[in-house]
Amino acid sequence: KAGVTQTPRYLIKTRGQQVTLSCSPISGHRSVSWYQQTPGQGLQFLFEYFSETQRNKGNFPGRFSGRQFSNSRSEMNVSTLELGDSALYLCASSSLGQGYEQYFGPGTRLTVT
Amino acid sequence: KQEVTQIPAALSVPEGENLVLNCSFTDSAIYNLQWFRQDPGKGLTSLLLIQSSQREQTSGRLNASLDKSSGRSTLYIAASQPGDSATYLCAVGNDYKLSFGAGTTVTVRA
Repeated sequence: KAGVTQTPRYLIKTRGQQVTLSCSPISGHRSVSWYQQTPGQGLQFLFEYFSETQRNKGNFPGRFSGRQFSNSRSEMNVSTLELGDSALYLCASSSLGQGYEQYFGPGTRLTVT
Repeated sequence: KQEVTQIPAALSVPEGENLVLNCSFTDSAIYNLQWFRQDPGKGLTSLLLIQSSQREQTSGRLNASLDKSSGRSTLYIAASQPGDSATYLCAVGNDYKLSFGAGTTVTVRA
């Protein structure tokens, strides 16, 4: 079974631009979560989607948004990029979400200059 | 707010020694606890998942225990190998999210 895939793997953007990251979960998984990883803050939860519904959202500004499609694929968008948004963005999928094993993708490395 | 702490932050051991990694959490109302491994610049690899009703879980050389009432989990890695060198992360699950510790960076010297 193919694992979680994330595209693109690397991105360089300029302050003020916006970016869209994509995540394809493991086949059959309906829950997708997003996390931001930085050296200073560690891994922080962004949001979780299940069957196109957001069930929880982390403490991030409204510039961070996401969505999930009917095929369970998910995208996250960051608008008006700031230098502090430079991070590794990780996507995780699980069959039903809470209480089930989470499987992570390789991440998208975003650099904002 | 759930706070997850991992001690020690870093650990260096000679090959063959057993590893003991600790994780503590402040809110015992969890669904499960998951241990992950992360190699530099990579994603997370799931090692073990312990449901809140379980006391321990084993996979090969890895054994993880969970004491929900005291808010603690321990990951044991037997007979360490240089390939075990990585950062190990503990995460507790609740409210449709995982709360992570900062990790323990392990170096196994050949």
